[in-house]
Amino acid sequence: QLQLQESGPGLVKSSETLSLTCTVSGGSISSSSYYWAWIRQPPGKGLEWIGIIYYSGSTYYNPSLKSRVTMSVDTSTNQFSLRLSSVTAADTAVYYCARQAYSSSWYLRPHFDPWGQGTLLTVSS
Amino acid sequence: QSALTQPASVSGSPGQSITLSCTGTSSDVGSYNLVSWYQQHPGKAPKLMIYEVSERPSGVSNRFSGSKSGNTASLTISGLQAEDEADYFCCSYAGNSNLVFGGGTKLTVL
Repeated sequence: QLQLQESGPGLVKSSETLSLTCTVSGGSISSSSYYWAWIRQPPGKGLEWIGIIYYSGSTYYNPSLKSRVTMSVDTSTNQFSLRLSSVTAADTAVYYCARQAYSSSWYLRPHFDPWGQGTLLTVSS
Repeated sequence: QSALTQPASVSGSPGQSITLSCTGTSSDVGSYNLVSWYQQHPGKAPKLMIYEVSERPSGVSNRFSGSKSGNTASLTISGLQAEDEADYFCCSYAGNSNLVFGGGTKLTVL
């Protein structure tokens, strides 16, 4: 059974860069059938898709965050990572990693399953 | 890209059927059969309930069903149970390699 687990610092200072890692267990991150996604949820609010990475390293990012987001993948450790630069209080959220179904066509499939348990990241001033 | 519009709250009694709506535009929900629904209990990660408008993953109760008409997608829960009380989020492909979520609906079982 595939499981995902986020890890990160918990607290980041405003204007700094946030770094999170998701460790995949029970399956290979190198599967051609899936992307690997980051999604966040500010406290008490809705979900926001941050972006995805394929095992080959190709990425798609939310246009609203694209200028600040970098994702990477390490197939040797079955992990993928998120870096978000110049953070502000608005980036305070629970960050989830999830497996997203792959599409060989021109569209992306909003099919996330399973999800990690999430990690709260707070931006302090 | 704006978030999809969901009612903030919906309530129903046990055994009842309720329908949650998710309204987008002709640029997202209206253009693609690529809408999914997620259930989230407090303090837990979201769980996939419906994908590609009306497909149900294995293990999800057949009390959950999805549909779409125009720019609005819907999630129907029949035979409402106490355990269905949760937040529900929709998500749609929005074109240009982008995905957008709704703001979520809090379902209360009376």
